[in-house]
Amino acid sequence: EVQLQQSGPEVGRPGSSVKISCKASGYTFTDYVMNWVKQSPGQGLEWIGWIDPEYGSTDYAEKFKKKATLTADTSSSTAYIQLSSLTSEDTATYFCARSPLLGHWGQGVMVTVSS
Amino acid sequence: DTVLTQSPALAVSPGERVTISCRASESVSTLMHWYQQKPGQQPKLLIYKASNLASGVPARFSGSGSGTDFTFTIDPVEADDIATYYCHQSWNSPPTFGGGTKLELK
Repeated sequence: EVQLQQSGPEVGRPGSSVKISCKASGYTFTDYVMNWVKQSPGQGLEWIGWIDPEYGSTDYAEKFKKKATLTADTSSSTAYIQLSSLTSEDTATYFCARSPLLGHWGQGVMVTVSS
Repeated sequence: DTVLTQSPALAVSPGERVTISCRASESVSTLMHWYQQKPGQQPKLLIYKASNLASGVPARFSGSGSGTDFTFTIDPVEADDIATYYCHQSWNSPPTFGGGTKLELK
């Protein structure tokens, strides 16, 4: 069974960074691209970008190119997203979701930016 | 970016048929997919490539369309279907989502 287990909630101060994880199991990690999706409180879904764990190649939506950094550790089958220079606009739930078709999702991680 | 437009909310009664539309600002071929999200949960894939039922999804759910106009149907609606439904296109880069349609009980 495919499972994507994400790390726990994060609180970050304005201007700081947070890094959240998504541990994959039930399939070969390097066979599928991992996507990240943002959901602001009470709002819809925004695609942030994807990483190909086999090659480390990435693609980002334009608005997240300076905000998010996607990495992957094949030894632990874990994908990461680092969010930098946090502002209140980054307060949201962040999901990992496996391609193709975003058919499998993590449970989401709530990131709160607060001083 | 491809903009996907959905009606924000619909009120339904159990047993009824409900149709949700999603209009794309440019063609997405048939690479339109539909997700269900309940409060506090992650989205769940229901329909992929416009009309294909995802594994384990009841046949009450269906989808159709191509190009710029797509529909998602639940027939009949059950109480457990109360949720927000999102369309999502993966034909054009970047992938985009509709704003979501919240199904509410009448």
